[in-house]
Amino acid sequence: EAQVTQNPRYLITVTGKKLTVTCSQNMNHEYMSWYRQDPGLGLRQIYYSMNVEVTDKGDVPEGYKVSRKEKRNFPLILESPSPNQTSLYFCASSSRRQGTRHEQYFGPGTRLTVT
Amino acid sequence: QKEVEQNSGPLSVPEGAIASLNCTYSDRGSQSFFWYRQYSGKSPELIMFIYSNGDKEDGRFTAQLNKASQYVSLLIRDSQPSDSATYLCAVNPSGSGYALNFGKGTSLLVTP
Repeated sequence: EAQVTQNPRYLITVTGKKLTVTCSQNMNHEYMSWYRQDPGLGLRQIYYSMNVEVTDKGDVPEGYKVSRKEKRNFPLILESPSPNQTSLYFCASSSRRQGTRHEQYFGPGTRLTVT
Repeated sequence: QKEVEQNSGPLSVPEGAIASLNCTYSDRGSQSFFWYRQYSGKSPELIMFIYSNGDKEDGRFTAQLNKASQYVSLLIRDSQPSDSATYLCAVNPSGSGYALNFGKGTSLLVTP
């Protein structure tokens, strides 16, 4: 089954404790992206990756890091989480193949609470 | 910033009626347009995409695009309570590569 997976699905942590949210896709997609979703603010892009070893900032990158060492994986790293990073996080992927039109497929989401 | 605007709602329609959801966008060069459905606490699910002016139908869903007016809409015929969700409009702006700009969504409530 074609899918994007994220782990963990739920996480409660404390301020300053480094954490990583994993994202993996099995569709051989080149493009991957991280979003956060907050009430009243909608989906906002954190980072994206056009392919292996190619990453770039989205609209709200502060406090986050990413890496893309393998095509299928795109982990999101919070080096020192703060309460304002409490949010619902989504990973998404998209194909760059000729003829596709950038439709993105989303993972199930990770609900993060930082106390 | 290339904006995508949606009325937040809630839009309430009775079961069996047509729900009409609207979206405007600011970047005239945008090429691809998407509608996602999102149930509370769940991930966005792609339900429609449209690239050319006019209508595109898929089952009970019809997407309409008017590039001159920078307007895209989603019609849901024979609305069902299971259609109650937030509908997100997404646009691929010109020069943005593979990024999508999302509207904040319209909440739809279908009442039995």
